[in-house]
Amino acid sequence: DGGITQSPKYLFRKEGQNVTLSCEQNLNHDAMYWYRQDPGQGLRLIYYSQIVNDFQKGDIAEGYSVSREKKESFPLTVTSAQKNPTAFYLCASSIVRSTGGSFYEQYFGPGTRLTVT
Amino acid sequence: SQELEQSPQSLIVQEGKNLTINCTSSKTLYGLYWYKQKYGEGLIFLMMLQKGGEEKSHEKITAKLDEKKQQSSLHITASQPSHAGIYLCGALHISNFGNEKLTFGTGTRLTIIP
Repeated sequence: DGGITQSPKYLFRKEGQNVTLSCEQNLNHDAMYWYRQDPGQGLRLIYYSQIVNDFQKGDIAEGYSVSREKKESFPLTVTSAQKNPTAFYLCASSIVRSTGGSFYEQYFGPGTRLTVT
Repeated sequence: SQELEQSPQSLIVQEGKNLTINCTSSKTLYGLYWYKQKYGEGLIFLMMLQKGGEEKSHEKITAKLDEKKQQSSLHITASQPSHAGIYLCGALHISNFGNEKLTFGTGTRLTIIP
């Protein structure tokens, strides 16, 4: 079955520690995304990547870092510089739209709930 | 996001009743996505609308993008307990520089009571 996996589902860390969230997809999608979801707020884009070895900052990239060494993988590191890291993190992937082509939906993983105390 | 307003924030509906959720953008929509989320889980894609006036249905859920392409509505007919969850709209905007950006609404929490 094709899909997106995120691990772990729940993650607990002490303040001041970096933590890496995993995201893997076998949909052969070129684009991958990381979102953060907080209560009462919509999803906010952290980082996205449209091709291996390249990624761009989203709306709230401060305190986060990513890498895209493989097409299938897009791990997110929440650094100690992130002031409010406790949140629900969602990874997504999609086909990259060609110029003038159709838009495609994003497929989401099950999410990782990070709690930092 | 003020660019995208979703209403209502929450909805409690008796099983079997119809309901409508709205998503309004302050900018022209190049695409409008509807997703459903169970609490603490990922988003499940429902439908995508691109053309003004376009209407799509999936089982008892119908979504429409208005002619001016700045508002979409999601309508559920004869609601069932399985419809309960959080419904989010995602609006695709294109900036003056040609950058594509997907912005999500804050969601509508739907509760179905027997």
